[in-house]
Amino acid sequence: SYELTQPPSVSVSPGQTASITCSGDKLGSKYASWYQQKPGQSPVLVIYQDSKRPSGIPERFSGSNSGNTATLTISGTQAMDEADYYCQAWDSSTAVFGGGTKVTVL
Amino acid sequence: QVQLQQSGPGLVRPSQTLSLTCAMSGDSVSSNSAAWNWIRQSPSRGLEWLGRTYHRSKWYIDYAISVKSRITINPDTSKNQFSLQLNSVTPEDTAVYYCVREIVEAGSNNWFDPWGQGTLVTVSS
Repeated sequence: SYELTQPPSVSVSPGQTASITCSGDKLGSKYASWYQQKPGQSPVLVIYQDSKRPSGIPERFSGSNSGNTATLTISGTQAMDEADYYCQAWDSSTAVFGGGTKVTVL
Repeated sequence: QVQLQQSGPGLVRPSQTLSLTCAMSGDSVSSNSAAWNWIRQSPSRGLEWLGRTYHRSKWYIDYAISVKSRITINPDTSKNQFSLQLNSVTPEDTAVYYCVREIVEAGSNNWFDPWGQGTLVTVSS
């Protein structure tokens, strides 16, 4: 079965850039989505089709996908961005999620 | 704005059937540009996709291999909702269950938005 691998945690200082990677076999040939989940809340879509932002998502969130790795970048990270982030892709009509990355804003 | 409202019991006995319903507003379960999914989340399994239903001239249903023998997802057009049934549950099925709209574009350009509020279902005697 297809697998997506994320680092368990990323730490970033306020105002700096956080990069979260998601690795999977030939992931660049698929579309990646990213979801933000804060404690006690449902996941929220922050990036779809590798790099598109839904309405209402701040411009500091961006995404890319090439080769075997998709990347979510948070520029000018704010305290409110502290959350778990999950990547997701489709493989053979099955949705696959990464294990999640906890972003801590120190 | 699409909203998904989940309902169902939070406690299920082992070997019994877990049943949840998701009612939507702002979209139709029969939409040709959406699919309606169930996803669960637990500390041990993370986010796990369970299955979906969608309408394209006729109804289609896809299930995850891991639960295929135990799961049923049904649309209800009269109430604009869809349901999840998971049979023969064990404590390993304890999780937060989400109903989620999948926005569909050509090919595999699909993404999940929005998610329901989540229902913690505990399997315990």
